[in-house]
Amino acid sequence: GAGVSQSPSNKVTEKGKDVELRCDPISGHTALYWYRQSLGQGLEFLIYFQGNSAPDKSGLPSDRFSAERTGGSVSTLTIQRTQQEDSAVYLCASSLAGYTGAEAFFGQGTRLTVV
Amino acid sequence: QKEVEQNSGPLSVPEGAIASLNCTYSDRGSQSFFWYRQYSGKSPELIMSIYSNGDKEDGRFTAQLNKASQYVSLLIRDSQPSDSATYLCAVWGGGGADGLTFGKGTHLIIQP
Repeated sequence: GAGVSQSPSNKVTEKGKDVELRCDPISGHTALYWYRQSLGQGLEFLIYFQGNSAPDKSGLPSDRFSAERTGGSVSTLTIQRTQQEDSAVYLCASSLAGYTGAEAFFGQGTRLTVV
Repeated sequence: QKEVEQNSGPLSVPEGAIASLNCTYSDRGSQSFFWYRQYSGKSPELIMSIYSNGDKEDGRFTAQLNKASQYVSLLIRDSQPSDSATYLCAVWGGGGADGLTFGKGTHLIIQP
């Protein structure tokens, strides 16, 4: 696609439910990042993929969070047993080659509201 | 843990003046440096990248990098009200496991 695509754009879920967020990176981009941004706050790093591998998962806030990437393309971020503090905008970005620090481009984000 | 520091502002600059945004980073191994602009309710948008010491100019924007001082800056000339946004500094550590590290951003206000 022309840009990074995230779905859904908005998600309202009940506390305790599981949610799955999707990111479709720019075609050919091997690096993919997930960030979280709470209202009025900065970007919180969650996880980074180079191809299908995630060198470091320590940014994930708890074991309720998991992410995968298959085929070096689409990535899903899953939050189990959602809590109200999970409410935030979840942003995905992709770049050509993470190890050379290539420029990263963001999707429009998924606004998650846990009620 | 890599850290990227920015003054949160708000930084208020009159229209037509030069806005100067600053950023320092902790990891001397950092190799790539980026400036993003984020309007309220929108995603960050890449506006500048810089990889070597010195200045890089693109239109009204100039990025400056000083690796010895671990300092990156962004100058916006002839500031316009549409430049009012939060500016995020991002640093890539080069082979690092945690991707891009972002500062918390500086809120810039251009006063007409």
